[in-house]
Amino acid sequence: DAGVTQSPTHLIKTRGQQVTLRCSPKSGHDTVSWYQQALGQGPQFIFQYYEEEERQRGNFPDRFSGHQFPNYSSELNVNALLLGDSALYLCASSLLGGSGYTFGSGTRLTVV
Amino acid sequence: ELKVEQNPLFLSMQEGKNYTIYCNCSTTSDRLYWYRQDPGKSLESLFVLLSNGAVKQEGRLMASLDTKARLSTLHITAAVHDLSATYFCAVDKSNSGYALNFGKGTSLLVTP
Repeated sequence: DAGVTQSPTHLIKTRGQQVTLRCSPKSGHDTVSWYQQALGQGPQFIFQYYEEEERQRGNFPDRFSGHQFPNYSSELNVNALLLGDSALYLCASSLLGGSGYTFGSGTRLTVV
Repeated sequence: ELKVEQNPLFLSMQEGKNYTIYCNCSTTSDRLYWYRQDPGKSLESLFVLLSNGAVKQEGRLMASLDTKARLSTLHITAAVHDLSATYFCAVDKSNSGYALNFGKGTSLLVTP
């Protein structure tokens, strides 16, 4: 049984560009959350998707947007990339309100 | 806003010694989590603690949550090198949409 799958694993982008990160949740999970982890810091909550809608959002600008598809997979889009967006982006899946979060291996984004 | 403080942030300890990592929350939470992260890797779930003061143990690690659900400890018994990693505590709450709020992490190095 596959856990959470994220792609790509690594990505290098130039300032001002746009990026899309992808996440397939663990089988049976219906909720996907995205987190940003800067080097040496704890993960910061970006947003959470359930039933294809954003139901909760952290303190991130509108440049960060997302989507959830009918098969529960999700995308994270970041527009107008800044150097400060360089981080490990983690996807976590769960059942809505459940305590069993499963994290993916993450996507390492470097903005140059 | 849920705030999570961990201490110490860095810990170097000898093999065979005991030590405790502390996690303090600004308000009561529904659930408290302990995760382990190895360098460049994702988050591995260690414990989930509910607000009823439960204590859980797995191998050399024991986690507890006080009855006021604001202070958790992760106790390490007879440390071994394989425990070297960064440990995060995180909390969530229903009225914040079950978004995980993480501490800054405790970087643990176990030396011979």
